[in-house]
Amino acid sequence: SQQGEEDPQALSIQEGENATMNCSYKTSINNLQWYRQNSGRGLVHLILIRSNEREKHSGRLRVTLDTSKKSSSLLITASRAADTASYFCATAPGTGANSKLTFGKGITLSVRP
Amino acid sequence: EAEVAQSPRYKITEKSQAVAFWCDPISGHATLYWYRQILGQGPELLVQFQDESVVDDSQLPKDRFSAERLKGVDSTLKIQPAELGDSAMYLCASSHLAGHNEQFFGPGTRLTVL
Repeated sequence: SQQGEEDPQALSIQEGENATMNCSYKTSINNLQWYRQNSGRGLVHLILIRSNEREKHSGRLRVTLDTSKKSSSLLITASRAADTASYFCATAPGTGANSKLTFGKGITLSVRP
Repeated sequence: EAEVAQSPRYKITEKSQAVAFWCDPISGHATLYWYRQILGQGPELLVQFQDESVVDDSQLPKDRFSAERLKGVDSTLKIQPAELGDSAMYLCASSHLAGHNEQFFGPGTRLTVL
């Protein structure tokens, strides 16, 4: 089963524009992570935000977390053609040292040159 | 930079045949994961190892799938017999600690069952 649900399913923007992707989840979490996957490749970890954090930045990435709404957003500023990929949110449950990450279905981002 | 290695990258097999995938995690990573990713979906965990022990295999179809990590380093995932519905990307990942940490993924093995 997949807890995280990303929105929209697909996003197409012009190079230089900002891209905003959303993720909603259902149960309490320890942290939420965002990953990127280029076509036919493995996933690359982008950023991890813990349940007691509200916002985090990494380069051109900004992630917010609203635990009251059980939602997160990933903002990519000044997008580049190289940002074209699928983006997944993954939630880590609130309990259990061996608890597993649950991934959403992903968002396909296309950045037009 | 250390990476997770997987082989083969692509595998085409006929149904009812046996297939095996290999994964070598980042050195020092005690936790190893095998995921299956169907086209258009997110990865779903098949099995998680902590060193050589299985800590979660609740989603592993045990009638046909098996996984081992004998010396707590590299790992093998086997399917016997393969079915048409097994066509997917099989991803291996590792992390330094179990639980709530980032995972490092290999490039995956794309399996096609004919």
